[in-house]
Order: sequence, then structure tokens, then C-alpha cells
Amino acid sequence: GNSVTQMEGPVTLSEEAFLTINCTYTATGYPSLFWYVQYPGEGLQLLLKATKADDKGSNKGFEATYRKETTSFHLEKGSVQVSDSAVYFCALSSGGGADGLTFGKGTHLIIQP
Amino acid sequence: EAQVTQNPRYLITVTGKKLTVTCSQNMNHEYMSWYRQDPGLGLRQIYYSMNVEVTDKGDVPEGYKVSRKEKRNFPLILESPSPNQTSLYFCASSWRSENSPLHFGNGTRLTVT
Repeated sequence: GNSVTQMEGPVTLSEEAFLTINCTYTATGYPSLFWYVQYPGEGLQLLLKATKADDKGSNKGFEATYRKETTSFHLEKGSVQVSDSAVYFCALSSGGGADGLTFGKGTHLIIQP
Repeated sequence: EAQVTQNPRYLITVTGKKLTVTCSQNMNHEYMSWYRQDPGLGLRQIYYSMNVEVTDKGDVPEGYKVSRKEKRNFPLILESPSPNQTSLYFCASSWRSENSPLHFGNGTRLTVT
């Protein structure tokens, strides 16, 4: 079956540091890949997505590249801010409609000033 | 404004007292889903609905019921709540497409004593 593995954290960084949150997946076929972000007290919201191999999703300074050969979709940001503190979820959709969405367990990111 | 609205945000109840958490979306989405979020377990799908009068079990449906009589509403019903259903619950909706992102409500924190 489908699965998503990501580091759970918490990951603690200083402001302006470089961020990488690793995400690897197992899926049949050719899934679409997503990163969602959950700010304190809120629901999840889509951060970025990539729908085919070698696609790069980007938003708010975050980037992730769909790497089929390594089955990975690592999230990166060059210079994090305190406002980036949140929980980040990697997810995949392997077709058959939205019911096929599989989430990782989430990575709690803490940015210190 | 496009949104998914859940009510209530917080609910404290006692074992065995039936309750309903409401969910409504104003985006005309076909697909709606309920998740629960627990520490160390991430997001787990309870039930989902691909359209009106069509509902299916997710990964953890035991102890829950849903209905989809109208496209915009997807209530979650706990007929006889138990303490192991204490959790943070999220409703989500989307178009029926592999690439369509989920739109989440702000969550309902349920405590069953």
C-alpha cells in the first residue's frame, strides 16, 4: 500500500537558517505529491504540490522537487522566519480521487529568533 | 470567502452522550472527508464522501457515523462517545481530482470524560 515517511521532530532552527524536511514515499503508479502546513490552532492548508517527476513546487519561499528515482519530495527553504513555525505534512495522492490521499505523520518545526 | 466551517471548535462531553460535529463547505466540492489528529499518529481518515448520498469508511471508522444528504454538509456523529475518541477532528473538502488540494476546517477539539 501507499505510505509517506517524514522526520517527526521537533526540528528547532534559528531564524535565517536553511531548512530541509525529508519526505520519502512508497506508492503504486505515479502519485501527485503535496506539502501541507498547519499553523497553531488552525487546519491544514496546501503549501505546494508537484504532479509528475522532476516537477518543482514552490510557494512562500519553500520548494520541493519530485524525485522519482529516490521516491522523495524533500521540503526546503533558504532562510526561515519565526512565522514559519508550524507542523508540516507531506502527502501523496495515487489516483482514484481524493480518497487516495495518504499523509505522513507531520514534522513540528520551531524557529527561534 | 471560500471556506470549510466546523462547529463547535471545542467540545467537552461525557461517555455515552450522543454528539454531532457539523461541517459545511461553500465551494460546491463533491468530495468531503473527516480526519482525526492524534500525537504521534498524524492524521487518520475516519470517513469520506465522494458525493451526495455516497459515503465510505476510512482507516478508523469504528464508533463514528456520517451522512451526506446535501452537497455542502457532512456531519460527524458519535452515537456513544468514549474516552478513546478524545482527539482533534478536521473536516476537509475538495474537487474529485487526484491533483485537487484538500481545504480544511479549523478543527474541533473533543474531550470525552
